[in-house]
Amino acid sequence: NAGVTQTPKFRILKIGQSMTLQCTQDMNHNYMYWYRQDPGMGLKLIYYSVGAGITDKGEVPNGYNVSRSTTEDFPLRLELAAPSQTSVYFCASSLGPGNTIYFGEGSWLTVV
Amino acid sequence: KNEVEQSPQNLTAQEGEFITINCSYSVGISALHWLQQHPGGGIVSLFMLSSGKKKHGRLIATINIQEKHSSLHITASHPRDSAVYICAVRLTGNQFYFGTGTSLTVIP
Repeated sequence: NAGVTQTPKFRILKIGQSMTLQCTQDMNHNYMYWYRQDPGMGLKLIYYSVGAGITDKGEVPNGYNVSRSTTEDFPLRLELAAPSQTSVYFCASSLGPGNTIYFGEGSWLTVV
Repeated sequence: KNEVEQSPQNLTAQEGEFITINCSYSVGISALHWLQQHPGGGIVSLFMLSSGKKKHGRLIATINIQEKHSSLHITASHPRDSAVYICAVRLTGNQFYFGTGTSLTVIP
């Protein structure tokens, strides 16, 4: 089982560049999430989706955009990258809000 | 102010020791999750509980809803248990708060 797959694992961006973090899950989960993890801080929710075509902001959405055109995919778009977006990003999914959460392996992003 | 507080922040134990990691929270929750983050970064869900106690192998998780407190216990600890353990609480809906984690090192 692939579970939750996110790419790339590592990326260095220059200030002002844009990029997309890809996330796909093969468990037919309705709920998908994007989190960022900063050193010494707990995971913070960026955006989430409860199903195809439905997305909503989390705690720290500024500077990011998402889309959910299919159940499987939930890409995270960074527009005009800033040093404050240097972080580790985790995609996750669950069948529903009360179910076990499955995480991807993480994407290390550095903005210089 | 953190809605979720974990203690200790760092913990070093000898192989075989009994380990306890604590989690306190300040909000009403519908469930609490214990997660394990490996040194390479991957995060695995260990437990999800809303009352009582759950056991899986050498891991035991308990929760006291009235006291807003949960504990994760590891019996007969092993070096492969070395990881960061994260407590997360789910409010109603899709809102989660995560603790900053407890870094555990088990020495052979």
